[in-house]
Amino acid sequence: GAGVSQSPSNKVTEKGKDVELRCDPISGHTALYWYRQRLGQGLEFLIYFQGNSAPDKSGLPSDRFSAERTGESVSTLTIQRTQQEDSAVYLCASSLVSISGNTIYFGEGSWLTVV
Amino acid sequence: SQQGEEDPQALSIQEGENATMNCSYKTSINNLQWYRQNSGRGLVHLILIRSNEREKHSGRLRVTLDTSKKSSSLLITASRAADTASYFCATHGVQAGTALIFGKGTTLSVSS
Repeated sequence: GAGVSQSPSNKVTEKGKDVELRCDPISGHTALYWYRQRLGQGLEFLIYFQGNSAPDKSGLPSDRFSAERTGESVSTLTIQRTQQEDSAVYLCASSLVSISGNTIYFGEGSWLTVV
Repeated sequence: SQQGEEDPQALSIQEGENATMNCSYKTSINNLQWYRQNSGRGLVHLILIRSNEREKHSGRLRVTLDTSKKSSSLLITASRAADTASYFCATHGVQAGTALIFGKGTTLSVSS
């Protein structure tokens, strides 16, 4: 596609429910990133994919968070048993390759509100 | 843990003035990038400076990098109200396969 696409753009869920956030990267981009941004805060790195594998999962905050990527394309970030502190914008980004020096392109984010 | 730390956290200036934002980081980098974010949504890449570069220009933007001090600055000259946004620095480590790590950002307000 023309840009990184994320869905849903907004999601309100009840505490304890599971949510899935989807990211469609720019076609041909092998690297894919997930970040979390709480209101008024900086970007918190969650996970990075190179192809379908995730060499760096160090940012996932707990075992309630998981992510997968298939076909070197779409990625899904799943949050199980959501908590109120999970409320944030979840930003996905992609880049051509993961070698240092490539610009990453962001989607518009998925705003998650846990009530 | 976050790599870059921007300073100041917030900056308010008048149109036409210059805005300077600083970024410090902790470990060796391959490159440092600056991004802009409007209204808490997606970020837009502004400029990338490699570890062997000291200064780079792009339009009204000027970025410097001092690897000995592990710091960078972003200068926006002749600011406009449309420059109002949050600005983040991000660093890419020297090892292959490392993620881009962002700082907490500087919120710039430009009033007309």
